[in-house]
Amino acid sequence: GAGVSQSPSNKVTEKGKDVELRCDPISGHTALYWYRQRLGQGLEFLIYFQGNSAPDKSGLPSDRFSAERTGESVSTLTIQRTQQEDSAVYLCASSLPLTGTRQETQYFGPGTRLLVL
Amino acid sequence: AQRVTQPEKLLSVFKGAPVELKCNYSYSGSPELFWYVQYSRQRLQLLLRHISRESIKGFTADLNKGETSFHLKKPFAQEEDSAMYYCALRAAGNKLTFGGGTRVLVKP
Repeated sequence: GAGVSQSPSNKVTEKGKDVELRCDPISGHTALYWYRQRLGQGLEFLIYFQGNSAPDKSGLPSDRFSAERTGESVSTLTIQRTQQEDSAVYLCASSLPLTGTRQETQYFGPGTRLLVL
Repeated sequence: AQRVTQPEKLLSVFKGAPVELKCNYSYSGSPELFWYVQYSRQRLQLLLRHISRESIKGFTADLNKGETSFHLKKPFAQEEDSAMYYCALRAAGNKLTFGGGTRVLVKP
């Protein structure tokens, strides 16, 4: 079946502009995650949605970053007043619902490469 | 707070040689460790998880709680193993903390 999709694949913007990144998870995956990967670095957790529970926003680096999710489907990550240090690949992942201690594999999208000039 | 360290940014080996990717972690709870791989022009995907104690594509990884390590090993590297490898730790919920990644280059 279709995997996680993200759009746009590439985005170039000017410093100070707002950007919206979109993620379509795998159907039936109630858990959705956003990560950021700066050049030459590992992935940093940003935010996590699980069903109707309050999202875990502990990884958002500043109040310029926000994310929403419509039900158990599409999510958008918004970065306001972009800065050059926001340049990175933004990865979305989804997984089946968590049940107890069961590990649920996260399936990653192809990412959105953001460049802030 | 949890942390994952991959000390090698690049590992270059010849085909048929053993390869070991190091991963060390710090976490106060009971860790759940993973290895993810990203082949050229492909998306990040799960390679293996410690709880499964499985061998995938000839790779194995053993969780050593005493040394807080989860090194990835393969006795005979193949050219198709060339990729970026990330060690990851699962903390609360299902969010992952990743190491900085190791690029593996297998030369013919």
